Formats: sequence, structure tokens, C-alpha cells
Amino acid sequence: QLQLQESGPGLVKPSETLTLTCAVSGDSISGSNYYWGWIRQPPGKGLEWLGSIDYSGTTYYSPSLKSRVTMSVDTSKNQMSLKMSSVTAADTAVYYCARERIESGDIEGFGDWGQGTLVIVSS
Amino acid sequence: SYEVTQPPSVSVSPGQTARITCSGAGLSRQYVYWYQQKSGQAPVLVIYKDAERPTGIPERFSGSSSGTTSTLTISGVQAEDEADYYCQSADISGFYPDKLFGGGTKLTVL
Repeated sequence: QLQLQESGPGLVKPSETLTLTCAVSGDSISGSNYYWGWIRQPPGKGLEWLGSIDYSGTTYYSPSLKSRVTMSVDTSKNQMSLKMSSVTAADTAVYYCARERIESGDIEGFGDWGQGTLVIVSS
Repeated sequence: SYEVTQPPSVSVSPGQTARITCSGAGLSRQYVYWYQQKSGQAPVLVIYKDAERPTGIPERFSGSSSGTTSTLTISGVQAEDEADYYCQSADISGFYPDKLFGGGTKLTVL
């Protein structure tokens, strides 16, 4: 049974860099049939895709956040990370990590999600 | 990048059929995915590739797509289906690919 667990500081100061980790258990992050993504949800609002990464480290970032987001994979620890620089109050949200299956070249959607972690940006 | 539009709310009585639409200029070229999110919980994928249903999702959930509009249909709505529903697609027309979510539709079971 795949489990995804996000972790990181619950409070970050404006202008600082947010760093989150997603620990994967129950399967290897090195599988070639998956993308691993970050999605966030501001309180009371909708979902926003931040970016995705595959096992080799190939990344795909949201064009609107590309200048501030960096994702990485650590296969030895079976986890992935998200860094977001120059945060503001607008980055306050629940941050989810999720897994997206690829089958015969087709993306099958984010079928597995972590429980999410709330990050508040405030001084 | 194009916008993906959903109605803010849909209300139905138990046993009726709920239809939630998702519209966007790029939907005719890209698959649509649907997620159910109950209060305080992570989203759950209920439809992928326009009309495929993941293992474990009840048969009353179905999806369809025509032109620039996709529809999530819930037949015989149950109280437990009350949730927010989000559609998601992709935009690969720009230099960088993007994944787009609709604003979400709150399904109320009367």
C-alpha cells in the first residue's frame, strides 16, 4: 500500500525559502512509470499544480511558478523535495505530494495523494 | 494558457443524477481528469482520461467529453457523494507544459 507523507515547517517568514519533503513508502520512487507531483490548495480555494518530477530527475514546473520552484528526488531515501523561494502570504496553503501513473505513454492522473501539510507564510 | 471553468455549485436530491461540467479551449485536445475532495481530506481521483474509472470507484461515477466540454456524471447520487469536485487537464501549447485545474464545483446533496 503506497503511502505519501509530506513534512516541513508549518510557518515560514516572507521572502524566505520554503522546503518540503515527501516521504514515499510502500513502493520505490525509482519506478519509471510514474511522475511525482506537488499540488497546493490555499485555505478555502481550489487546487494548483506546482510541478512534477520523474525518477531520473526530469522536472516539469508550472509556468507561473517556474522561477521560484525547484524539485528534486532522492532515490536513496525514497523521497522527493520541493523548494519555493521568495515566499509571500499568497503562498499560504496546504501542500500535497501526489503520484501520477504513466501507462503506454498516457498519463492516468494523480491517483495517490499524501494527506497534505499546511504552510503559513507570516512574520 | 487557457482557463478551465466549472460551475461553482450543483445541488441534487438523493437518487437523482448530478452533472458537473468542465469547459476550456484546450479540452478538445487533452484528456480530462476528475477529483473528489471531501471536507478536510486529500483529493481522490474518480475519473481519468475523460471516461476511465480507477479501481474502487463506484460505477455511478462516469465521465464524458465532447469538444471543449467534459462532464462528470454521478448517477443515483448518495449523501456520501457530497464534496468538492475538480476537473484537471493540461496545456502543452506553450513552451512549458502546464497542468490546469478548474475552480471546483461544490456538490450539495439535498
